[in-house]
Amino acid sequence: AQSVTQLDSQVPVFEEAPVELRCNYSSSVSVYLFWYVQYPNQGLQLLLKYLSGSTLVKGINGFEAEFNKSQTSFHLRKPSVHISDTAEYFCAVRGGNTGKLIFGQGTTLQVKP
Amino acid sequence: GAGVSQSPSNKVTEKGKDVELRCDPISGHTALYWYRQSLGQGLEFLIYFQGNSAPDKSGLPSDRFSAERTGGSVSTLTIQRTQQEDSAVYLCASSLGAVSNQPQHFGDGTRLSIL
Repeated sequence: AQSVTQLDSQVPVFEEAPVELRCNYSSSVSVYLFWYVQYPNQGLQLLLKYLSGSTLVKGINGFEAEFNKSQTSFHLRKPSVHISDTAEYFCAVRGGNTGKLIFGQGTTLQVKP
Repeated sequence: GAGVSQSPSNKVTEKGKDVELRCDPISGHTALYWYRQSLGQGLEFLIYFQGNSAPDKSGLPSDRFSAERTGGSVSTLTIQRTQQEDSAVYLCASSLGAVSNQPQHFGDGTRLSIL
């Protein structure tokens, strides 16, 4: 079984500042890792994914994440945030032999002017 | 191209009524998933379909919940005898394959409110 923990429920940050959203996972099998973003009244949009290979993954909108197997983490980062990045961010894991995604509880990123 | 389409976008119904939620996946996607998003429980997996294989129903919370996928395309999630705790946003997703490295693409969801 897999589980995901997002360590911060809310992250306030000023515009143009860097941000890190933390995600830790637990799994007894190899996994695929994902970050999704959800804007109000919309579905989930894929930001980036880690499947294999390079542990530093780049996604859309300037986001990147680093897979750390020893620490079972997949933290999301952006060097300079914009007001438009205000949204809910979900980390998710999928075991290699199943289709279902297991999500963390989400982190609300609040970008202030 | 068209994304995952869900209907209705909003549904309000009385406790005890049955509801049907519809999902049109992206054309060519063989895998289809249903998730539920609620304030108390976050995002929960409900069920997924992969081609002609038996669906994985392991996330369905009770026997009041069922889903079918006709012709390998459109899916309907049915909730019988609705309860207030069924109030949530129901999200559908599709992908090129369930156990592949293909990501899931989500629709905008159906917001279900049980009075």
